[in-house]
Amino acid sequence: GAVVSQHPSRVICKSGTSVKIECRSLDFQATTMFWYRQFPKQSLMLMATSNEGSKATYEQGVEKDKFLINHASLTLSTLTVTSAHPEDSSFYICSARGRRWGDEQYFGPGTRLTVT
Amino acid sequence: AQSVTQLDSQVPVFEEAPVELRCNYSSSVSVYLFWYVQYPNQGLQLLLKYLSGSTLVKGINGFEAEFNKSQTSFHLRKPSVHISDTAEYFCAVTQNSGTYKYIFGTGTRLKVLA
Repeated sequence: GAVVSQHPSRVICKSGTSVKIECRSLDFQATTMFWYRQFPKQSLMLMATSNEGSKATYEQGVEKDKFLINHASLTLSTLTVTSAHPEDSSFYICSARGRRWGDEQYFGPGTRLTVT
Repeated sequence: AQSVTQLDSQVPVFEEAPVELRCNYSSSVSVYLFWYVQYPNQGLQLLLKYLSGSTLVKGINGFEAEFNKSQTSFHLRKPSVHISDTAEYFCAVTQNSGTYKYIFGTGTRLKVLA
């Protein structure tokens, strides 16, 4: 149980375009989802926390207009990188937490975004 | 607020030797602690976790960790490593209430040498 998927696993887009990344909890209801960003050889940095049906809470320094997060249902959250630029290239990882599983987060496999 | 320190950015060790990856944390409230492993271009895999109870926690792949509240540490150990253990290891902490945000350490690169 407690499986989280992400789609796509890899995406390449041109500078100036937008790209959407999906995060799904496959076998549980995710009351809270988290989005992280990881630069090469670095740790995970929390970008935002989203609760189903409410607006995401962004960490300091994260542009909410650039990284749009939608948590429309208890099993799906999306991260849209708007007007992407090469500096947005990174590994994006989501995680989900559900009441059934207590306080633990379950991580997706990550999405590699490359902006050319 | 919590913080996590992984002092060793890289740890080289020979195959079949023991290894310890260090993790220290700071927090003014009770915490949960986790160790994750990350292979190249992959997500995080949970190795083990401390939520409560016994301070010695056993995880997958032969890893274990000991929660030491007085030293605010949660070091990860394995008595005999394999080449396949070469990966990045992250320690994480979260407070056991509130937002449940994870704070990650900077990671330790374990390189197992033949």
